[in-house]
Amino acid sequence: SQQGEEDPQALSIQEGENATMNCSYKTSINNLQWYRQNSGRGLVHLILIRSNEREKHSGRLRVTLDTSKKSSSLLITASRAADTASYFCATDLDRGSTLGRLYFGRGTQLTVWP
Amino acid sequence: EAGVAQSPRYKIIEKRQSVAFWCNPISGHATLYWYQQILGQGPKLLIQFQNNGVVDDSQLPKDRFSAERLKGVDSTLKIQPAKLEDSAVYLCASSGGGTGELFFGEGSRLTVL
Repeated sequence: SQQGEEDPQALSIQEGENATMNCSYKTSINNLQWYRQNSGRGLVHLILIRSNEREKHSGRLRVTLDTSKKSSSLLITASRAADTASYFCATDLDRGSTLGRLYFGRGTQLTVWP
Repeated sequence: EAGVAQSPRYKIIEKRQSVAFWCNPISGHATLYWYQQILGQGPKLLIQFQNNGVVDDSQLPKDRFSAERLKGVDSTLKIQPAKLEDSAVYLCASSGGGTGELFFGEGSRLTVL
């Protein structure tokens, strides 16, 4: 089964609006990462948040992590049509190993209408 | 800096045939991953290499899938014989420098008829 699950599965908004995607996971993690995938392309890393961090920003992206609830959220502010893509959360499980191994959720398909 | 290179980008084969995918990671990246992404799903890890050694192949269907990274640089993933359910995009990724971030190639899309 998938380690992380994104919610909602699909999100449709207008340009300029904010988009929020959520991710829930099951077991302890070293870090949680968000990736973006344009149709027919590979995944691109957006942001990484470590288990001892609660919030992180990168440009128009804001990620939060609540380890007590085993959940994370990705906020994209002032969205643009070019933000249309699938967004995946990925968890690096805490197994006492330094070798990262990411488990991906099913993703949220974001559509931003001009 | 060159990214992760994969080939071929597209492959169509009949069931029971064989296919091989090639990946060249970012120079200097010790860790290489192969993921399988079925349409509408997230990537699923098949195998992870650290240099030329296998770290995790627990989700690799070993009766038909094999992978190697002989010199600790590029890697090949083979499927023999292919089944209809192997239709997917095969993504190669690499990581290095301890950041935890994975760099993905564009993927190889396999269609099994």
